[in-house]
Amino acid sequence: GAVVSQHPSWVICKSGTSVKIECRSLDFQATTMFWYRQFPKQSLMLMATSNEGSKATYEQGVEKDKFLINHASLTLSTLTVTSAHPEDSSFYICSARSLPGLEVYEQYFGPGTRLTVT
Amino acid sequence: QKEVEQNSGPLSVPEGAIASLNCTYSDRGSQSFFWYRQYSGKSPELIMSIYSNGDKEDGRFTAQLNKASQYVSLLIRDSQPSDSATYLCAGKPQGGSEKLVFGKGMKLTVNP
Repeated sequence: GAVVSQHPSWVICKSGTSVKIECRSLDFQATTMFWYRQFPKQSLMLMATSNEGSKATYEQGVEKDKFLINHASLTLSTLTVTSAHPEDSSFYICSARSLPGLEVYEQYFGPGTRLTVT
Repeated sequence: QKEVEQNSGPLSVPEGAIASLNCTYSDRGSQSFFWYRQYSGKSPELIMSIYSNGDKEDGRFTAQLNKASQYVSLLIRDSQPSDSATYLCAGKPQGGSEKLVFGKGMKLTVNP
């Protein structure tokens, strides 16, 4: 299967600071990447869809000015949590789908980034 | 609202048994379905994808799709304790959106 990496795997930051999380597709090109958040014992929650070279599409209720997404290349998308607060502490996971082809549509997840805001 | 519903679970089976996980979906136009496995504290891992009616087998896993009844299932044969995880069903709705719709997941425990 395709490999997606995330960096960092965990981060602790102080309230009010910003944190950047990187998502990379290592062995395929990804026109579309997705950012999810997951709180303990809860379901995945899609935050936004990131398309290479264009603005991200945010899900309802997700503040686009707080969660900045940049998808500058076919292998890299970044999520910046700005002015982080303790309630932003969560498990952030990206996923990527390969370039469109035939009927195949598969989405691969990165290992996730655990953010703790103190 | 396009939804994917999974049995609430949890499901507990003895080692060596068959575990059966089911989900239904509301969007009749959905064509692609996926099963992900998520271990506690880890991200989801794609284990099966299915696009056509019928069965698709991969090792101990069999995915089944019935578009007329709008359900997808995953069978795990010869269940092992290492299969203990939360299993997520996901579908791609018809249309231009690239995003998947996920079920809430079912926790499977395989008892040695």
